[in-house]
Amino acid sequence: QSVLTQPPSVSAAPGQKVSISCSGGSSNIGSNFLSWYQQFPGTSPKFLLSDNNKRPPGTPDRFSGSASGTSGALDITGLQTGDEADYYCATWDSGLGVWVFGGGTKLTVL
Amino acid sequence: QAQLQESGPGLVKVSQTLSLTCSVSGASITSDNYRWSWVRQAPGKGLEWIANIHYMGTTFYNPSLRGRSTISVETSNNHFSLKLDSVTAADTAIYYCVRLYRYTMDVWGQGTTVTVSS
Repeated sequence: QSVLTQPPSVSAAPGQKVSISCSGGSSNIGSNFLSWYQQFPGTSPKFLLSDNNKRPPGTPDRFSGSASGTSGALDITGLQTGDEADYYCATWDSGLGVWVFGGGTKLTVL
Repeated sequence: QAQLQESGPGLVKVSQTLSLTCSVSGASITSDNYRWSWVRQAPGKGLEWIANIHYMGTTFYNPSLRGRSTISVETSNNHFSLKLDSVTAADTAIYYCVRLYRYTMDVWGQGTTVTVSS
């Protein structure tokens, strides 16, 4: 059972928009910045977004993030088949004194 | 551009100690901006944070590993290491070394697969 809760899977058609939620608590998302990671099968995770919504160089602007209260979300617009991957949210939990991840969401582009 | 590379044995016997090293290139391990971490991923499962270290020695550990893990840094070689004692089959996973900048794990190694066997 992960401290951060994500839907196990989401799907949408190419060109559409999808949103992946990440729900936590006051000691993690409610207190610290959320980051997002993309992982393709057989590869290491790749940093996608930091500080709730900041894109590093290389992350397309089709990817955006948000956070409010104890929840956050990753939005992907203009879906492409190449976006099919697992997506993880993560942050520091000040109460537990640990880094916590969501359980991961598998994105399928139909 | 920073790169991280894990190394260590791919096979460890039950009850023994797992030892891994992460070599850092393109960045100094003594930069005050970064912490250095280990994260693992069991087969078909999600990500689990193991530990962090700052080059000055400040460490944080995941209590779920019940004191079995030790993270250390060797500044002269620009690398950091992980030891995990008394391993069981549940420790079979891909182990990633990661650079931590503020609230972001911004650089990941390619990962090394460790299998615990009896």
